[in-house]
Amino acid sequence: AQKVTQAQTEISVVEKEDVTLDCVYETRDTTYYLFWYKQPPSGELVFLIRRNSFDEQNEISGRYSWNFQKSTSSFNFTITASQVVDSAVYFCALPIFGNEKLTFGTGTRLTIIP
Amino acid sequence: NAGVTQTPKFRVLKTGQSMTLLCAQDMNHEYMYWYRQDPGMGLRLIHYSVGEGTTAKGEVPDGYNVSRLKKQNFLLGLESAAPSQTSVYFCASSYLTGFTEQYFGPGTRLTVT
Repeated sequence: AQKVTQAQTEISVVEKEDVTLDCVYETRDTTYYLFWYKQPPSGELVFLIRRNSFDEQNEISGRYSWNFQKSTSSFNFTITASQVVDSAVYFCALPIFGNEKLTFGTGTRLTIIP
Repeated sequence: NAGVTQTPKFRVLKTGQSMTLLCAQDMNHEYMYWYRQDPGMGLRLIHYSVGEGTTAKGEVPDGYNVSRLKKQNFLLGLESAAPSQTSVYFCASSYLTGFTEQYFGPGTRLTVT
């Protein structure tokens, strides 16, 4: 089965702490992409990143970084020096069925405590 | 450039009533999707379209119908609403397949009583 598992349902950290959101995936494809989306309290879903399975280098964008490890089928997301504006639900996603659509994990609700 | 828009934003229906949700995108995207979001279940794909005039079933298609008569519009219909269809509905579009990022609308909160 092709699926994404986000085992952490909810996480709370104090502002300025680092936090890592886990994403574990299963796929039978040899080439695939992985995605992260953010859903802030306002409700809209915002695209954060797309990674190709060929590229296992870590990606860094400001306070955000992503660790892709094919050996453990994981694509974890770390926020450094968290801020209140990072409070949101974060979804990991994987294309399935001929890559025509995405399957999403159940999401991790992150709360940053001021 | 409005991106992806959804109409209406909120709606309350009684069991058995019908309604249509409208999604419009102005990015000339080929692919369009309808999802529902329920607490603890993430986003689940209802139906999708790979181009004008095409539709396909997703994970949870029962009780819904869709049409894509124009490239920029994707309609989701509920013929006979049930309380189990109370949810937040999101429309999305993408340039190509699941390899490309999807752009989401603001969502429609539907309550069926």
